[in-house]
Amino acid sequence: GQQVMQIPQYQHVQEGEDFTTYCNSSTTLSNIQWYKQRPGGHPVFLIQLVKSGEVKKQKRLTFQFGEAKKNSSLHITATQTTDVGTYFCAGRGRSIKFYFGSGTKLNVKP
Amino acid sequence: DGGITQSPKYLFRKEGQNVTLSCEQNLNHDAMYWYRQDPGQGLRLIYYSQIVNDFQKGDIAEGYSVSREKKESFPLTVTSAQKNPTAFYLCASSISSANTEAFFGQGTRLTVV
Repeated sequence: GQQVMQIPQYQHVQEGEDFTTYCNSSTTLSNIQWYKQRPGGHPVFLIQLVKSGEVKKQKRLTFQFGEAKKNSSLHITATQTTDVGTYFCAGRGRSIKFYFGSGTKLNVKP
Repeated sequence: DGGITQSPKYLFRKEGQNVTLSCEQNLNHDAMYWYRQDPGQGLRLIYYSQIVNDFQKGDIAEGYSVSREKKESFPLTVTSAQKNPTAFYLCASSISSANTEAFFGQGTRLTVV
């Protein structure tokens, strides 16, 4: 079945350092979404990527969708303590279902 | 104030008992979903519904049941057949089931003792 792998599982950074999380799919995706879940909270939608090679930015966050539409990344520049949380990718293949990655838990030390 | 509401936030049940988790949305969304989240894992799809009176099994439907009698409501029953029911359950909704963002409820943390 379809799987979306996400690495790393954990990332500890010093405030001001950059952070990147990666998602890889075994099959071509029609689109991919990214969510953020704060500790004790629920996932909140960040962005959706649809086109091959697409790059989108939200302030310090940069999202990329690979040319083959099998991988995606989220990069945060100059992390802040407010960035703490778990970041999930969710990929959709041919079916209507989204498959979530296992998440990357980000901890930012002030 | 529009949104998706899950209740209760914490739920304790004895082993062998069925329990129903509530999920209500006033966003006028057609699609609704139930996910299970375990520590260190992503969200796994239990059931989803694209329209009233219709629903499909997700990847881990065994031991669970749902109904979709109203557009606003998508309750999940965790039955005694579910081998490891203790988990964090998340309900979500979206305008349609294709290419639209999902809005999540606050979640229900179920503990079976």
